[in-house]
Amino acid sequence: LAKTTQPISMDSYEGQEVNITCSHNNIATNDYITWYQQFPSQGPRFIIQGYKTKVTNEVASLFIPADRKSSTLSLPRVSLSDTAVYYCLVGDRAGANNLFFGTGTRLTVIP
Amino acid sequence: KAGVTQTPRYLIKTRGQQVTLSCSPISGHRSVSWYQQTPGQGLQFLFEYFSETQRNKGNFPGRFSGRQFSNSRSEMNVSTLELGDSALYLCASSLGSGAIGTEAFFGQGTRLTVV
Repeated sequence: LAKTTQPISMDSYEGQEVNITCSHNNIATNDYITWYQQFPSQGPRFIIQGYKTKVTNEVASLFIPADRKSSTLSLPRVSLSDTAVYYCLVGDRAGANNLFFGTGTRLTVIP
Repeated sequence: KAGVTQTPRYLIKTRGQQVTLSCSPISGHRSVSWYQQTPGQGLQFLFEYFSETQRNKGNFPGRFSGRQFSNSRSEMNVSTLELGDSALYLCASSLGSGAIGTEAFFGQGTRLTVV
């Protein structure tokens, strides 16, 4: 499984757009990039997944450059309820099988 | 549809005892995986079951074991509990084992405290 590197923590004010970047220099051809969100004492929740270019859903966008060695999760207009830990995962096994979560990025949204 | 259900939500056990945790996956999901989460080690993969067979195992001692039933429900067991086993134990289900592009759905977890 490709190792990922993310900032340990980030702060943002309510209403701002937040971009969290993840480095995955050793990403393999078959690997997907998946982001999960976790609130305290709860299980992680799937946010978005992509392979290349840009993916957008109702909660976030995922930007992946051509070389796929990094990716950026973009959260538009964050609210206090977006305060959580965000994990970037890389692998060809995007199901529950042996996911490597790393340390994640703790996002704190400030009023 | 109902999400992943883990029981019990909270558990307190004494060192040396054993414990069994239960996980009911989303209907139709055949893959169930277990994770341990602690403040120091983060989220770590324990094992995965698919169609009643253990498909992958993480780097945990043999005191940690599991099984899956024909209805895809899974249990994990920890024997001879140690203080360091105190953690949030999470169960995740997905449609297939290793299916590309498949998301994992996690339960709320069981908070185990060993005293």
